Parts: sequence; structure tokens; C-alpha cells
Amino acid sequence: RKEVEQDPGPFNVPEGATVAFNCTYSNSASQSFFWYRQDCRKEPKLLMSVYSSGNEDGRFTAQLNRASQYISLLIRDSKLSDSATYLCVVNRNAGNMLTFGGGTRLMVKP
Amino acid sequence: GAVVSQHPSRVICKSGTSVKIECRSLDFQATTMFWYRQFPKQSLMLMATSNEGSKATYEQGVEKDKFLINHASLTLSTLTVTSAHPEDSSFYICSARDSVRGRGETQYFGPGTRLLVL
Repeated sequence: RKEVEQDPGPFNVPEGATVAFNCTYSNSASQSFFWYRQDCRKEPKLLMSVYSSGNEDGRFTAQLNRASQYISLLIRDSKLSDSATYLCVVNRNAGNMLTFGGGTRLMVKP
Repeated sequence: GAVVSQHPSRVICKSGTSVKIECRSLDFQATTMFWYRQFPKQSLMLMATSNEGSKATYEQGVEKDKFLINHASLTLSTLTVTSAHPEDSSFYICSARDSVRGRGETQYFGPGTRLLVL
């Protein structure tokens, strides 16, 4: 079983739609959680950290359920520019080693 | 935000040659840098953790004699792919953590180096 699992997609949605991605992780000792965005042939860029209380950044909302070892990302009012691969990332331990999920590809269409 | 650069951005080489990739933190010091590899349509896989002034820590399955890492200063880590073969063709990405300003867990990624071995 992979440490961090995501549905690879692709998710094809129209502009303005709301879309949700899920992620599960296997290491219950994981401490920190993030969503990164990666555009084609580019490096990943931090989208947002994920906190147990849930957090929102504009159109993006992230949730963490430690009991279920489950992380989610909700994107409201999708824009064409949101098309990318979204990576669920878990900090494995205090050594700050990140474990990346396989990514979920989102394609927003006009 | 913090900036990490990589050089070269892409390289094409013949099988059997060695290729050196540089990773620099431009506006902060990084005692720890990380090297990742990403094959097409796959996620990033951590190869090794580069520690300034000491030996790198390699992930299971990564050959330390093939992927030589040197982290000689607080702003530079290098990865040398020795005797590269076509199966080493990949996207190599480094990241660095700002260890001085206490930016916590945020890792800043370099733009990546695309290696093609013919």
C-alpha cells in the first residue's frame, strides 16, 4: 500500500464548478499535511497547509481528519487556470521528509 | 518568498557520461536540502536528504555510489549522476528548507532539471 494515495483522475469540470479531491495516508504518526500544485513539466508549488481545524484560502478549502487519516481539498468556482495536478503531501517525520501522493489531475474547461 | 535555483535546467548526454546538477538557495541558508526524482506521469520520489557538512542520507533503493551528493556550503548542494544510462532519464528536483530564519516546515523547490540520457 502506498503511503499517500490519491485518485489520479483526470477530473474534467466546467468553469465555475466545485470540485473536491481526497487523499488518504497510511502513517498515523504523520505530523504535517499539505496540498501542492504542479503544472506540466514544472516543479511543485505549495498551495496550502492543512490543519485539523480545516482552513480556507480564497476559493480553496482544506480539511484533515486524523482519525480516518484522510485529507481533502475543495475548489470552488473553478477557473481555467486551476488546471494542474494537485499533490497531497505528508510530512513523514520530524526530519521534514515529505512523501508525495501520486497526484490528481484537474482539467477545467470553458 | 525564498528562491531555489537549479542548473542546468535540462541536459542531454550520452550513455556512460556523468552529469552534475546544482541546487542553490539564493536568499537563505539551508542546512538540509532534498533531492527528488519524478518519472513521467508519476509523483515525486525522495532520493536522498543532503546535509551540509556531512554525508547524505539515501532512501531505500537509491544507489549512493551512482548518485553522488555533495553539500559543501549552506547554499549549495550538488547531485552527480555517474555513468548515466537511459533509465536515469528523469526530472530531478531539489528542495531546501530555510533553517536559519525558522520558516518551519516549508520546503522551497527548485525549478527542476530534465535529464535525457541517449
